[in-house]
Amino acid sequence: EAQVTQNPRYLITVTGKKLTVTCSQNMNHEYMSWYRQDPGLGLRQIYYSMNVEVTDKGDVPEGYKVSRKEKRNFPLILESPSPNQTSLYFCASGLAGGLNEQFFGPGTRLTVL
Amino acid sequence: AQRVTQPEKLLSVFKGAPVELKCNYSYSGSPELFWYVQYSRQRLQLLLRHISRESIKGFTADLNKGETSFHLKKPFAQEEDSAMYYCALSGSARQLTFGSGTQLTVLP
Repeated sequence: EAQVTQNPRYLITVTGKKLTVTCSQNMNHEYMSWYRQDPGLGLRQIYYSMNVEVTDKGDVPEGYKVSRKEKRNFPLILESPSPNQTSLYFCASGLAGGLNEQFFGPGTRLTVL
Repeated sequence: AQRVTQPEKLLSVFKGAPVELKCNYSYSGSPELFWYVQYSRQRLQLLLRHISRESIKGFTADLNKGETSFHLKKPFAQEEDSAMYYCALSGSARQLTFGSGTQLTVLP
């Protein structure tokens, strides 16, 4: 089944403890992206990648890192999480560019205490 | 900078009534505009995009460059249309900017 998967789906952690949220897609998409969803703010783009080894900042990149070593994977790294990063995170993928439909993962709910 | 504004956080209509979800944008070039929908307990998914000029599930959206708007319309709302709707804009850098969303409730 063509899909975007994220792991873990739920995570509770403490301030400063490094964590990684994985994202994988099996549709051979070039474009991948991370968003956070907060009440009243909608979805805000954190980082996106047009292809392997090509990443760019979105609207809210501070406190996050990403890497794109393989086409199918696009992990989101929080080196030193803080409570203001408590949010619902979505990964998405699509064919090259924003012109095309993006397919979203199920979301990861992160709580930083 | 690109920006998307959805002025209504919540919108309720009765079944069979027309519905319009507003979306205004700010972008200096020629944008690509989308509507995404998130039904309860489902993933966010594309509803329609302006370049397709298509009608999906009875919804249409027209890009009005003069008013910088991309409102989503349906002449007769159905209960299954109840969902969260997001307007989104993609500029030349392929960065995708979403609005804050409108929760539509269609009452029986």
